[in-house]
Amino acid sequence: QKEVEQDPGPLSVPEGAIVSLNCTYSNSAFQYFMWYRQYSRKGPELLMYTYSSGNKEDGRFTAQVDKSSKYISLFIRDSQPSDSATYLCAMSATPAGANSKLTFGKGITLSVRP
Amino acid sequence: NAGVTQTPKFQVLKTGQSMTLQCAQDMNHEYMSWYRQDPGMGLRLIHYSVGAGITDQGEVPNGYNVSRSTTEDFPLRLLSAAPSQTSVYFCASSPWTGNNEQFFGPGTRLTVL
Repeated sequence: QKEVEQDPGPLSVPEGAIVSLNCTYSNSAFQYFMWYRQYSRKGPELLMYTYSSGNKEDGRFTAQVDKSSKYISLFIRDSQPSDSATYLCAMSATPAGANSKLTFGKGITLSVRP
Repeated sequence: NAGVTQTPKFQVLKTGQSMTLQCAQDMNHEYMSWYRQDPGMGLRLIHYSVGAGITDQGEVPNGYNVSRSTTEDFPLRLLSAAPSQTSVYFCASSPWTGNNEQFFGPGTRLTVL
């Protein structure tokens, strides 16, 4: 079993839909959870960052972490065509510093239809 | 700030050739890393460095060498290119403090024939 599993997709939704993207993980040491967004032919960029369990909201985006279930989610409200991208979850057991290696999910490609 | 820069953007090699992918950052980040991204495989860590003179292997290091002589530069060398190394390569950097945000370069698309 891979350390991080992500729904394979692709996912296509109409504009305005609520999107739910999910990852599960097996390493209970993970405490730092991130979502990266990657537009076509570009490098990934950090979208959301959370520490331990709980929710974090930033505009139309909400990141949710459930450590007891080893499950994280990213919700996108009122999805826009500009949200069309690949979304990768990433996790780490340590904060920034010498051992801040990230383990990534495989990514899911989202397409928002106008 | 230019952020993380990578050269070249595209490269085609023949099997057995060697080459160096360049990566530079101007943010004074201590941590730098190389990933490869393949369809259905996500981002896989090749090598990383926690500072000048210090490097270590990631998940898929075979066939690649790195060195870190300065804080700014972290080149990736392919010793004898193989078709299995056809991929998109991303360099990333991260500061020592703060969250774990890694800043990625634009990538190098490599094809090995």
